[in-house]
Amino acid sequence: QKEVEQNSGPLSVPEGAIASLNCTYSDRGSQSFFWYRQYSGKSPELIMSIYSNGDKEDGRFTAQLNKASQYVSLLIRDSQPSDSATYLCAVMDSSYKLIFGSGTRLLVRP
Amino acid sequence: EAGVAQSPRYKIIEKRQSVAFWCNPISGHATLYWYQQILGQGPKLLIQFQNNGVVDDSQLPKDRFSAERLKGVDSTLKIQPAKLEDSAVYLCASSLYEGTDTQYFGPGTRLTVL
Repeated sequence: QKEVEQNSGPLSVPEGAIASLNCTYSDRGSQSFFWYRQYSGKSPELIMSIYSNGDKEDGRFTAQLNKASQYVSLLIRDSQPSDSATYLCAVMDSSYKLIFGSGTRLLVRP
Repeated sequence: EAGVAQSPRYKIIEKRQSVAFWCNPISGHATLYWYQQILGQGPKLLIQFQNNGVVDDSQLPKDRFSAERLKGVDSTLKIQPAKLEDSAVYLCASSLYEGTDTQYFGPGTRLTVL
């Protein structure tokens, strides 16, 4: 069974700090990796995608991928209270099926 | 560009009743997905359509769930009869084609089974 694992949290950080969210996956054949943000009562929204080893930056967000370790992370710099949400890691397997982790709840304290 | 539309937004039924959800994907999107998201979990794929055809329904409980996508556009997901454990948010998503990066999610239908 292909799995995506995340710490459920909550991860609590002060406003302005860096939030670090982590994810591991089981399928070595996975090639595409995504981070979705989900506010309470809302649907998931794609914020980052990454396909090759290394870092990918987009504004305050940086995704990091290490395929050898089967590890994906998301860094949020200068965290804002509006970043408080659940962050879902998703991995696209070799049959193009998107497998989601259970999400990490992030709380940014003003 | 209009997003993925779903209705109803909320539904409360008693166990053993039937229920249907409707989804209208983004115009031109060939691939449509139905996900089930139980509280505290990530979305789980139930069924994937490519135009009219089913690509993957391996996690669809076929004894009670059915889905169709007539004419390759709108889709309906039906549960009959519903069980307590079907209480969840049912999310519809669409993408331009199979395997493309971005799946766009609709607002979801929150189902409560009493």
